[in-house]
Amino acid sequence: GAGVSQSPRYKVTKRGQDVALRCDPISGHVSLYWYRQALGQGPEFLTYFNYEAQQDKSGLPNDRFSAERPEGSISTLTIQRTEQRDSAMYRCASSLLGRTGELFFGEGSRLTVL
Amino acid sequence: GQQVMQIPQYQHVQEGEDFTTYCNSSTTLSNIQWYKQRPGGHPVFLIQLVKSGEVKKQKRLTFQFGEAKKNSSLHITATQTTDVGTYFCAEETSGSRLTFGEGTQLTVNP
Repeated sequence: GAGVSQSPRYKVTKRGQDVALRCDPISGHVSLYWYRQALGQGPEFLTYFNYEAQQDKSGLPNDRFSAERPEGSISTLTIQRTEQRDSAMYRCASSLLGRTGELFFGEGSRLTVL
Repeated sequence: GQQVMQIPQYQHVQEGEDFTTYCNSSTTLSNIQWYKQRPGGHPVFLIQLVKSGEVKKQKRLTFQFGEAKKNSSLHITATQTTDVGTYFCAEETSGSRLTFGEGTQLTVNP
């Protein structure tokens, strides 16, 4: 596709359920990033990949959060046993070169945990 | 936590007035990027500054990188209603992690 695609755009789930958020980056982009953005705040780094390798996962809040990019393209961010505090906009971004490259963001996945 | 501080947090201007947002860091930055996020939208890349003292212009937008590479600014001349949104600076930290500031939310009254 022409841009970064994220699905679902909106997800409402009950506390304790697992959710999987998908990101399809721009074709050919080496690096893929996951951010979380609360209303009125800047994007908060979660993790990023170069190709299929997870380079930095230090931003993941706890071990309920995990991400993978098995074939170096599509990535999935999984949140297990969701809690209300996990409610946020989850944004995926990709870049062509990785280091110092411009990030292209997707429209985001809005997660609401009831 | 965030390493770059942005001020002001909010700015309200009349259409035609100028606007400036500042980004400050306690450490020397390798480079800095600026993004704009329209209400309900996603961050969109504006520019990257790399060199000490660098100044770049995009139409009514002027971006500066401080001589010590610890601060940066975005100035908009004669704001228009299309400039409404939140402007973020972002610094590269520990490898390729891009850390965003809290942003400056700009509203423009017509």
